[in-house]
Amino acid sequence: DGGITQSPKYLFRKEGQNVTLSCEQNLNHDAMYWYRQDPGQGLRLIYYSQIVNDFQKGDIAEGYSVSREKKESFPLTVTSAQKNPTAFYLCASETSGSYNEQFFGPGTRLTVL
Amino acid sequence: GNSVTQMEGPVTLSEEAFLTINCTYTATGYPSLFWYVQYPGEGLQLLLKATKADDKGSNKGFEATYRKETTSFHLEKGSVQVSDSAVYFCALSVGESNYQLIWGAGTKLIIKP
Repeated sequence: DGGITQSPKYLFRKEGQNVTLSCEQNLNHDAMYWYRQDPGQGLRLIYYSQIVNDFQKGDIAEGYSVSREKKESFPLTVTSAQKNPTAFYLCASETSGSYNEQFFGPGTRLTVL
Repeated sequence: GNSVTQMEGPVTLSEEAFLTINCTYTATGYPSLFWYVQYPGEGLQLLLKATKADDKGSNKGFEATYRKETTSFHLEKGSVQVSDSAVYFCALSVGESNYQLIWGAGTKLIIKP
């Protein structure tokens, strides 16, 4: 079955450590996104990529980095520069010409200890 | 600029009650409109969409009509169930080439048996 997978589901990090969240899709979608969701709030865009080897900053990119070396994969690194990283992170993908219908992974909950 | 405003939650209803969750928008151009649903601890799923004025999106008993004259896309369901308890997000996109969705803050729905 086609879909988007995110791993791990839960992640714990010590302050000062970088951590990488995985996002893989087998939907053959061109565009991929990373969102951050805080309790009781909507989604905020961190980074997005429309094509392999290209990506753009979203509204809250500071303290995060991404890569898009393969169409299927769009990993997100939360760096030590991100001052408040505890949140729920959602990855999504979308095919061109779909009027922005995005498909979401199950999310990763990151907790900084 | 483009924006989406949703009614604040939580919205608490009894089973079999009628549901309305309000969503209004501000947009340049001709947006497509979406409702997504997020069940506890999960990613988002597309619930329904409408791509032009007067279109009605429907799925799983939920409906929403794209009203250009009132810039609204209210979500309705005639008889809610406990399993409908979730957070509902209204979103818009402007133009097929625009890869970003503009999100509302989400409305938490609680259905009591």
